[in-house]
Amino acid sequence: LAKTTQPISMDSYEGQEVNITCSHNNIATNDYITWYQQFPSQGPRFIIQGYKTKVTNEVASLFIPADRKSSTLSLPRVSLSDTAVYYCLVGTKAAGNKLTFGGGTRVLVKP
Amino acid sequence: EAGVTQFPSHSVIEKGQTVTLRCDPISGHDNLYWYRRVMGKEIKFLLHFVKESKQDESGMPNNRFLAERTGGTYSTLKVQPAELEDSGVYFCASSRGQGRQSTNEKLFFGSGTQLSVL
Repeated sequence: LAKTTQPISMDSYEGQEVNITCSHNNIATNDYITWYQQFPSQGPRFIIQGYKTKVTNEVASLFIPADRKSSTLSLPRVSLSDTAVYYCLVGTKAAGNKLTFGGGTRVLVKP
Repeated sequence: EAGVTQFPSHSVIEKGQTVTLRCDPISGHDNLYWYRRVMGKEIKFLLHFVKESKQDESGMPNNRFLAERTGGTYSTLKVQPAELEDSGVYFCASSRGQGRQSTNEKLFFGSGTQLSVL
């Protein structure tokens, strides 16, 4: 499974855009990139998944450059309730049935 | 639609005792997973059920851990006897899937069981 590297933490303010970049230099051809969000005392929650270029949903956008060696999760106009840990995961069903979580990025949104 | 529910939310036991954790997946989800995070570590995969069958149990730490999913509905994870290093948060997740986890599948996680072994 491709290893991922993310910043340990990020601070932001309400209303700002937060961008979290994840490096996955060893990503394989069939790998997808998936992001989960985890609030304190809760389990991880799926945010978004992509393979290449850009994916957008009601929560976030995911930008993936052509070489796919990194990806950026973009959270528009964050609020205090977006304070959470964000995990970047890379994998494919060919690698088995496991999600491999790294350390994640702890995002703190300040008023 | 009810989410994944786990019981209990917290459990405090003494070393050597037995504890059983329960997970009720989302109705209709064939895939059920157990994960755990021990203090200061990353969330780690334990095992995966497809209906009542164990598809992958490569993450189970040792034979003190026993997972079951009788009837392919809820699952239990028993730790017997518990050791200090078993303390952590145990998460259950489910997905609809049809067999092996797909890269396009979303996993739905429960809130976890906080296990403290004293």
